[in-house]
Amino acid sequence: KAGVTQTPRYLIKTRGQQVTLSCSPISGHRSVSWYQQTPGQGLQFLFEYFSETQRNKGNFPGRFSGRQFSNSRSEMNVSTLELGDSALYLCASSSTGIQTQYFGPGTRLLVL
Amino acid sequence: QQQVKQSPQSLIVQKGGIPIINCAYENTAFDYFPWYQQFPGKGPALLIAIRPDVSEKKEGRFTISFNKSAKQFSLHIMDSQPGDSATYFCAASGEGSSNTGKLIFGQGTTLQVKP
Repeated sequence: KAGVTQTPRYLIKTRGQQVTLSCSPISGHRSVSWYQQTPGQGLQFLFEYFSETQRNKGNFPGRFSGRQFSNSRSEMNVSTLELGDSALYLCASSSTGIQTQYFGPGTRLLVL
Repeated sequence: QQQVKQSPQSLIVQKGGIPIINCAYENTAFDYFPWYQQFPGKGPALLIAIRPDVSEKKEGRFTISFNKSAKQFSLHIMDSQPGDSATYFCAASGEGSSNTGKLIFGQGTTLQVKP
């Protein structure tokens, strides 16, 4: 089976812009979780989607949002980018009822 | 209560040594404890995971030891190799609607194995 894929792999934006990141889960996985990784804060949970519904949300401002499509692919959007949003954004997928999460390679976002 | 504390922050061992990384948690609702390995420029890769009803689990050269009463768990890497040089993260999660799909990660340990 192909692993979790994320596009794009690298992105450079300027403050105030918005960005959309995409994640394709492992085939058959219906849960997709998103994480932000920074040197200072480590790996932090953003939100989780299952069957097109947000099931859980971390402590991030409303500028961070996401959605999931009927094929389980997910996107996350960050509006009004700030310098502090520069990070590696990771998505992970898991099978229904299973806690094991498999991560993609991430999207490296740099906000200038 | 949602934190997972990981130590040490960094670790250097000689080839063949047994690095040990420790994690502690507070939330007794956690019931799943995975370890991830991350190389630069890559996403975290699942190494091994354990549940609280088991005190030890081995997979190849990787062993998790779990102490439920102390709310601590640790990763041991037997016969470490230079290729094991990476950052290691412990994590925890629990069942239930408030924890679905949510892993709480430790701060990470950067391991260097010298040849």
